[in-house]
Amino acid sequence: KNEVEQSPQNLTAQEGEFITINCSYSVGISALHWLQQHPGGGIVSLFMLSSGKKKHGRLIATINIQEKHSSLHITASHPRDSAVYICAVRRAGTASKLTFGTGTRLQVTL
Amino acid sequence: EADIYQTPRYLVIGTGKKITLECSQTMGHDKMYWYQQDPGMELHLIHYSYGVNSTEKGDLSSESTVSRIRTEHFPLTLESARPSHTSQYLCASSEPGAQGETQYFGPGTRLLVL
Repeated sequence: KNEVEQSPQNLTAQEGEFITINCSYSVGISALHWLQQHPGGGIVSLFMLSSGKKKHGRLIATINIQEKHSSLHITASHPRDSAVYICAVRRAGTASKLTFGTGTRLQVTL
Repeated sequence: EADIYQTPRYLVIGTGKKITLECSQTMGHDKMYWYQQDPGMELHLIHYSYGVNSTEKGDLSSESTVSRIRTEHFPLTLESARPSHTSQYLCASSEPGAQGETQYFGPGTRLLVL
């Protein structure tokens, strides 16, 4: 079993829909990252969380440390949001190394 | 926008050839990483470096080697490429921040070994 599990694996939504992607992890962490990977392969860091909630534009990320769970929400989704969204955790005591989930492939259609 | 570069972006090569994948960053970051990602799968750390002349193997065993002679440069070498090395290779660097470290990723190199 992976230390970082994401759901769903694939998600199709219509433009304008509210989207939620979930991430559960089974180890103690010092931080959780949400990343976006476009079809060309490049990865962009969206959020880094150690508690609570962060918002950037239409993206919101929350984390519940006690439940070892994080969610990424996209409000008013748009086709340009189509990408793979990856959850990664920095295990407590490992300084910089990340452990990655397999990603959620999101397709937003018109 | 991150200033981290990888070349080549795509490489098709025959079995047995020696290849070097280049990674450079202009941000002055001490920490750099190489990840391997197969299609539809998660990223796996294969090498990392915390500074010049420091290199360590990652969580996933790899036949590749790395060097870190200069802060900005972290090349990965395969002495004899095999079809099992076909994958995407992503380089990243990171810097400490007030709330932890953010990793900046390069665009990746897609390697196909025939």
